[in-house]
Amino acid sequence: EIVVTQSPATLSVSPGEGATLSCRASQSVSSNLAWYQQKPGQAPRLLIYGASTGATGIPARFSGSGSGTEFTLTISSLQSEDFAVYYCQQYNNWPLTFGGGTKVEIK
Amino acid sequence: QVQLVESGGGVVQPGRSLRLSCAASGFTFSSYGMHWVRQAPGKGLEWVAAISYDGGNKYYADSVKGRFTISRDNSQNTLYLQMNSLRAEDTAVYYCAKIWAPGTRYFDYWGQGTLVTVSS
Repeated sequence: EIVVTQSPATLSVSPGEGATLSCRASQSVSSNLAWYQQKPGQAPRLLIYGASTGATGIPARFSGSGSGTEFTLTISSLQSEDFAVYYCQQYNNWPLTFGGGTKVEIK
Repeated sequence: QVQLVESGGGVVQPGRSLRLSCAASGFTFSSYGMHWVRQAPGKGLEWVAAISYDGGNKYYADSVKGRFTISRDNSQNTLYLQMNSLRAEDTAVYYCAKIWAPGTRYFDYWGQGTLVTVSS
């Protein structure tokens, strides 16, 4: 099973600032990595797939990069609606696995 | 528009069974693989099971293999998860999720979730 590790667990950011979230896989997943945003009481929302392709309707301030085992989600200028928990998911191998999440909170 | 509506959750004693359903609409259900993903209270996401568009291929997380069975009825646009021998650690919100496109394994639509509580 591929273990996916996210860091940091919590990120405190002021509105308008940028944020960089990391995701590491225990073995190469090529570019088969997705990012999701989840707000309290809601289902996750797909942000990025293929490590760097934005899903439909996702604002341009969200961008993804990386390949192999190291990936990054960058939010260029945090808006109030961006404070949430972010998960990465590898889909290169069965079983599919998610990282433990990064909570982005207001500083 | 795409809608996924889960049902069947509730409180169940350890060792008992429960069947979850996910009613799909707004897309050609029979063309898409479907998945179940769960989230224990206050915890992260855990992938549970997947089924191909025609039901011919099924995949499970090790934590549920041999206890849970995923199935689908394309004539009824419904996805199922039969959960047997339930344990306390199966307590979670269970989401059904639709893949982005045939052949992909990430999810563009999720249901609202149904809570399963395993407790005596």
